Amino acid sequence: DIVMTQGALPNPVPSGESVSITCRSSKSLLYSDGKTYLNWYLQRPGQSPQLLIYWMSTRASGVSDRFSGSGSGTDFTLKISGVEAEDVGVYYCQQGLELYTFGAGTKLELK
Amino acid sequence: EVQLVESGGGLVQPGRSLKLSCAASGFTFSNYGMAWVRQTPTKGLEWVASISTGGGNTYYRDSVKGRFTISRDNAKNTQYLQMDSLRSEDTATYYCARQGIRGPRAWFAYWGQGTLVTVSS
Repeated sequence: DIVMTQGALPNPVPSGESVSITCRSSKSLLYSDGKTYLNWYLQRPGQSPQLLIYWMSTRASGVSDRFSGSGSGTDFTLKISGVEAEDVGVYYCQQGLELYTFGAGTKLELK
Repeated sequence: EVQLVESGGGLVQPGRSLKLSCAASGFTFSNYGMAWVRQTPTKGLEWVASISTGGGNTYYRDSVKGRFTISRDNAKNTQYLQMDSLRSEDTATYYCARQGIRGPRAWFAYWGQGTLVTVSS
C-alpha cells in the first residue's frame, strides 16, 4: 500500500500569515497520463471533509485561490496564502493512484 | 446542490451485520463512481470501498474484503454498504462520498454528514 506522511504546522499560526503543509508518498504518484494523483481535503471542526485540490494542483470548484497545490512525484505542498479563521481545521492529503490512502492529517490552529 | 444522506448506523454486537444506505441528489447519480470512507480518532480517514457507475466493478480495502459488500441502485439514486461479521475495529463514522470522475484514480468530490457505527457487546 502507498503510505502518505504529512508534516506538522507550528501552531498556533497568526492570522494573515502564509503556511505550507507538506505531504510525502512512499511511491511516485505521477501516472503515465501525465497527471499526479494527489488530492487535498480540509475537515473543519465538526464537519465532513471537503475537497480542496485534485491532480496535485487543480482547485476544486468554489475553493479560494488562497489555496494552491504543488509538488513532484512524491513530495507535495499545500500552500495557504493569508490564513483566515475559516481555514482552521485538519488538512489531509490522499493518493488516488493505487486505490486510496490518506495521510494522518495536519492540524491548523489560529492565534 | 449535491446532497448525500447516510442512514443505517447504530450499535451492533461483534459478529452481527448492519447495512448502510446513502441517498444521493443534485446530480446524475449513474454518471459517477461512489465510495465509502470511514474515520476514527485513532486511525483517521480510511477508504473502505468503491463502486463503478454501473455497479459492475467494486473495490475494497483488505481488512473488509469478504465481509463488506458495496452496491448501488441507480434507479433509486442510492448506494449501500452491507457489513457482515462486524468487528470492534470497524467502529467508526462512515461517510458516503461521490467520486470526482467516472473512472478509477478519482478523488472524493462530495461527502455526506456521516453515520456512526459502533461495534460492541
